[in-house]
Amino acid sequence: DTEVTQTPKHLVMGMTNKKSLKCEQHMGHRAMYWYKQKAKKPPELMFVYSYEKLSINESVPSRFSPECPNSSLLNLHLHALQPEDSALYLCASSQQSGANVLTFGAGSRLTVL
Amino acid sequence: GIQVEQSPPDLILQEGANSTLRCNFSDSVNNLQWFHQNPWGQLINLFYIPSGTKQNGRLSATTVATERYSLLYISSSQTTDSGVYFCAVEDGQNFVFGPGTRLSVLP
Repeated sequence: DTEVTQTPKHLVMGMTNKKSLKCEQHMGHRAMYWYKQKAKKPPELMFVYSYEKLSINESVPSRFSPECPNSSLLNLHLHALQPEDSALYLCASSQQSGANVLTFGAGSRLTVL
Repeated sequence: GIQVEQSPPDLILQEGANSTLRCNFSDSVNNLQWFHQNPWGQLINLFYIPSGTKQNGRLSATTVATERYSLLYISSSQTTDSGVYFCAVEDGQNFVFGPGTRLSVLP
């Protein structure tokens, strides 16, 4: 299995809603990432989990809350988002040793109304 | 942190043409990857190439680490090659992406 699976593919939410994005990989990778991508821009790092511990938080607002329940799962909890948070949210994983190759999921396209 | 630049920003080709995309980076790196993002947003890893040359079908890549650049060659381009090509370098635990080259291949 060489895939990173993200759900849902599309999400529309109001500013008062609470929702979650989910990411799963079964490649035995020990690092997992959340990236945010706005239209016509490159992906920007939000969070890195290394061996299930949060190792990087790129000054992301607290309305985004990551969670890594185990080595295969990564969640992003969303609460009180703003319309400018509308974007493509990409999950990725990597081995974190040797040839550290990033593998991306298909993304979750979020629209905040 | 490391800065990554890519050129050209946009490229329009006729089907069957060849092209070269360039990635410059500001510091030495141990990890450089090329990605293709299709129109639906999926990022596909094309090459892991911190140095040297690799080929995969119509695509090949060369990284000259001492001169801090990498090149991606696309030969006999097809409409399915359209999309955005990113290079990304590892900086600590982060992967820093260049701004991308948007490629349109016309039939």
